[in-house]
Amino acid sequence: EDKVVQSPLSLVVHEGDTVTLNCSYEVTNFRSLLWYKQEKKAPTFLFMLTSSGIEKKSGRLSSILDKKELFSILNITATQTGDSAVYLCAVVPSGTYKYIFGTGTRLKVLA
Amino acid sequence: NAGVTQTPKFQVLKTGQSMTLQCAQDMNHNSMYWYRQDPGMGLRLIYYSASEGTTDKGEVPNGYNVSRLNKREFSLRLESAAPSQTSVYFCASSVTETQYFGPGTRLLVL
Repeated sequence: EDKVVQSPLSLVVHEGDTVTLNCSYEVTNFRSLLWYKQEKKAPTFLFMLTSSGIEKKSGRLSSILDKKELFSILNITATQTGDSAVYLCAVVPSGTYKYIFGTGTRLKVLA
Repeated sequence: NAGVTQTPKFQVLKTGQSMTLQCAQDMNHNSMYWYRQDPGMGLRLIYYSASEGTTDKGEVPNGYNVSRLNKREFSLRLESAAPSQTSVYFCASSVTETQYFGPGTRLLVL
């Protein structure tokens, strides 16, 4: 059965810290992996990764995919209180629209 | 540009009642989705529509029906609500793999 596992489940850090969030997957015919940030309401798109080893970067956030070891990481440097959210990872198998989401990592950044 | 809109924002139902959750997108996306989100369970796909006129079951379709009314609108119907359907429901749309989510409908079934 296809599945996506995120770790840790929750994390509390102080402003300025660097965090690494993990997403591992077991999916047949992988096509892409996506990261979302969910604050109080709807998830908002962060990154999409399709090729292994390529880093996607946006400001203090970056992500990389390892298709051989079947995982992705999301890094946030110099964290701010506004980074507090649930971070979701989703995998899209080829030939289907059935996105498979992990349960998310809840990040809390303390001032 | 409204993106993806959902109505209602919040609803309380009694067991056995029916209701329809509405979703509309103005981005001309072909694909639309309905998810439910429960604590500790992440987002689970209920139904999706790859294009106008087609719908398919997702991971948890039991107790739900959908209608892709046109390219813009995708509704989710609960024919006989059960307490297990208490959840937050999100609609999403996409043209590639990137999904755009609506603000959600919080449903409480008593």
